[in-house]
Amino acid sequence: AQSVAQPEDQVNVAEGNPLTVKCTYSVSGNPYLFWYVQYPNRGLQFLLKYITGDNLVKGSYGFEAEFNKSQTSFHLKKPSALVSDSALYFCAVRGPGGSGYSTLTFGKGTMLLVSP
Amino acid sequence: DTAVSQTPKYLVTQMGNDKSIKCEQNLGHDTMYWYKQDSKKFLKIMFSYNNKELIINETVPNRFSPKSPDKAHLNLHINSLELGDSAVYFCASSYGQGARGYTFGSGTRLTVV
Repeated sequence: AQSVAQPEDQVNVAEGNPLTVKCTYSVSGNPYLFWYVQYPNRGLQFLLKYITGDNLVKGSYGFEAEFNKSQTSFHLKKPSALVSDSALYFCAVRGPGGSGYSTLTFGKGTMLLVSP
Repeated sequence: DTAVSQTPKYLVTQMGNDKSIKCEQNLGHDTMYWYKQDSKKFLKIMFSYNNKELIINETVPNRFSPKSPDKAHLNLHINSLELGDSAVYFCASSYGQGARGYTFGSGTRLTVV
């Protein structure tokens, strides 16, 4: 079965500094990888995905993610953090479940706090 | 227009009651899902339907019964509610098996007292 690890419960960064939120994954076959963001009392919003192609994927709100097959990682990055980026970030991998159908398996989430 | 809408947004109820949460999507997706987010924010899939057919049924108590009257709707009925059912329940939808990702609703916060 597939799995996702987000090793940091929380990432703190000052506004204007670059940020990285880490994610590693385990899945059989080619990985389909996703990042979602959850603002307080809101649903999950799609940020970006990797299916194939360039290892650097660009997404919404200036975020990007770097796919590294050898390290089985898909870290989320942004060159310059904004206070409004403060939220809970989820990494997810698509892979087959017990029934044979594919679903998204999520990491436990990383809280990003950007200070002014 | 809301792509995936859930009702109600908040639900407070007593133990032992039966309640339903409704979900509708207007994206033309053919697959819908229910996820449960617990107090530690961990997301776990519960059910998935493709074109009204149940395709994923994770280890969920049989007090939880999903129903999909058509591919745009997926409802969740919960019998004999327990304190441990308190959580946020998210509906989501996708094309096929979600290679392009899922679109999530805004969630239903269920509190059992």
